[in-house]
Amino acid sequence: GDSVTQMEGPVTLSEEAFLTINCTYTATGYPSLFWYVQYPGEGLQLLLKATKADDKGSNKGFEATYRKETTSFHLEKGSVQVSDSAVYFCALSDPSGGSYIPTFGRGTSLIVHP
Amino acid sequence: DTEVTQTPKHLVMGMTNKKSLKCEQHMGHRAMYWYKQKAKKPPELMFVYSYEKLSINESVPSRFSPECPNSSLLNLHLHALQPEDSALYLCASSQEWGQGATDTQYFGPGTRLTVL
Repeated sequence: GDSVTQMEGPVTLSEEAFLTINCTYTATGYPSLFWYVQYPGEGLQLLLKATKADDKGSNKGFEATYRKETTSFHLEKGSVQVSDSAVYFCALSDPSGGSYIPTFGRGTSLIVHP
Repeated sequence: DTEVTQTPKHLVMGMTNKKSLKCEQHMGHRAMYWYKQKAKKPPELMFVYSYEKLSINESVPSRFSPECPNSSLLNLHLHALQPEDSALYLCASSQEWGQGATDTQYFGPGTRLTVL
């Protein structure tokens, strides 16, 4: 079945540092890939998405590129802020593979210190 | 408007109580979802409604009873819950569900449920 693997956290960075959160996936079809962010005490918010190979999703300074050859969708940001502290979930949806149930990774906690 | 609203924000209930969670969206989405999220875990899908009909029930105990009165509203009725049911309950919606669906889900802020 489909699965998403995220790097274990927490990831602890100083403000203005470069961020990478790794995400790899397995899927039987041609999935869409997502990053969701969950701030403390809140629900999930869609951060960015990509629907086909080589697509780059971007939002609020975050970027991720859909790499079919490495089955990856790593999240990056050039300069993190304290306000980026949250839990980040990588997810996929694979309707072409017959699965309409979204699959989430375990989540990676990001802590940014001033 | 890409907002999904949920009420109440917090709920504390005893094991013999009956309560309901409410979710609303006005984006014209025809698919709505209930998720359960325990601390430091990803959301777990509970139910999917498509065009106001229950499409998916992920083997959820009968003490959770979903209801979709119309295309904008989704309720979750709670009865005789256990302390282990304490969690954040998230509602989400998307344009469609099933073949050819667009798949971006929009989440509400959640209801934090505590069962005593």
